[in-house]
Amino acid sequence: GENVEQHPSTLSVQEGDSAVIKCTYSDSASNYFPWYKQELGKRPQLIIDIRSNVGEKKDQRIAVTLNKTAKHFSLHITETQPEDSAVYFCAASKLTGGFKTIFGAGTRLFVKA
Amino acid sequence: GAVVSQHPSRVICKSGTSVKIECRSLDFQATTMFWYRQFPKQSLMLMATSNEGSKATYEQGVEKDKFLINHASLTLSTLTVTSAHPEDSSFYICSATSGDTQYFGPGTRLTVL
Repeated sequence: GENVEQHPSTLSVQEGDSAVIKCTYSDSASNYFPWYKQELGKRPQLIIDIRSNVGEKKDQRIAVTLNKTAKHFSLHITETQPEDSAVYFCAASKLTGGFKTIFGAGTRLFVKA
Repeated sequence: GAVVSQHPSRVICKSGTSVKIECRSLDFQATTMFWYRQFPKQSLMLMATSNEGSKATYEQGVEKDKFLINHASLTLSTLTVTSAHPEDSSFYICSATSGDTQYFGPGTRLTVL
């Protein structure tokens, strides 16, 4: 079935450094790739997304890249801040056919001040 | 943006009882809603796709007789955990799509004693 793998499971960086989280997906029909940030006990919040017709997207300190051929996509956070500490989930979805979304296992990011 | 609400936010029940969780799209109509379960420090696992006016589609391994889903209107889906047991204790999150964006409810923390 569909599967999304995410690495690393835990990431610790110094404030100001960059953080990179990588994901791969199995369903070649996936065409929408959102990234979510989840703080303890709260709902996932969409932070950025990318569609399959785009290779890269940037929003301030956050950027995502997508390699459709290799079926992998990455999240890049630059100039990390302590408030970036949270669990980040990648996901793969299809914008048609019901919008079913499969999540990666999550990456726990710690930003040390 | 669009808002999805859930009720209750927390529920504690005795083993063997049933619990109903409501998911509402507050300012948009959703023909499809999704129910996820999240165990501590784990990812969101899709349980089922709730379709307005028709039967829900359950993921492999999810017992449809135990997790009853009803999507009676375009703004409301309910998940009933029947004969709950301690292993059903989890964080249940619903989501609904508006346009091409998925919005999550705040989640319901279920504790079965």
